[in-house]
Amino acid sequence: AQSVAQPEDQVNVAEGNPLTVKCTYSVSGNPYLFWYVQYPNRGLQFLLKYITGDNLVKGSYGFEAEFNKSQTSFHLKKPSALVSDSALYFCAVSPQEANNLFFGTGTRLTVIP
Amino acid sequence: GAVVSQHPSWVICKSGTSVKIECRSLDFQATTMFWYRQFPKQSLMLMATSNEGSKATYEQGVEKDKFLINHASLTLSTLTVTSAHPEDSSFYICSATSLGQEETQYFGPGTRLLVL
Repeated sequence: AQSVAQPEDQVNVAEGNPLTVKCTYSVSGNPYLFWYVQYPNRGLQFLLKYITGDNLVKGSYGFEAEFNKSQTSFHLKKPSALVSDSALYFCAVSPQEANNLFFGTGTRLTVIP
Repeated sequence: GAVVSQHPSWVICKSGTSVKIECRSLDFQATTMFWYRQFPKQSLMLMATSNEGSKATYEQGVEKDKFLINHASLTLSTLTVTSAHPEDSSFYICSATSLGQEETQYFGPGTRLLVL
């Protein structure tokens, strides 16, 4: 069965500091991995994805994520947080043979000025 | 590119009425569209997957006669909540994938439904 875990419901970070939002997954075979961001009362915005190739993926708004196969993780990172990064972040995984997305429960990121 | 719109963004209706929500891909042809439901402070739950011109595939526990999905063209899918009840109040979000990028879903802004 496919599953995604985001172990932290809430992450607080000071503006200008690096941020990390954690994600681990369980999926049969090689996965496609995604990060989405959701602002209040809005749909999800695509941030980045890992399909194949380089384990470090760069995405929108300065975010990046590293695929670690041995640890089955895909943590989202940014070197310097902005207050405007405050939002709800979802990690998602899709088996390669299907295009269904399985979402984590989300992590609320708050960047403190 | 890859913009998905939903209409309406908000809807309030009386119990027993039906509500139609539209999902459109604005700048691409959507090979597949998905409908999700999101409860407050929870993740997205996939309701159904639809391909243009064919019947939707519903997830376990989702009543197909309650949530009617029509995918009449490559840019439009509709979700109709029939005989809505207060427990159907939720945030409904659609997504779409395009030809050549079937692994990436692009999401609409969502529709908040409140059934009184």
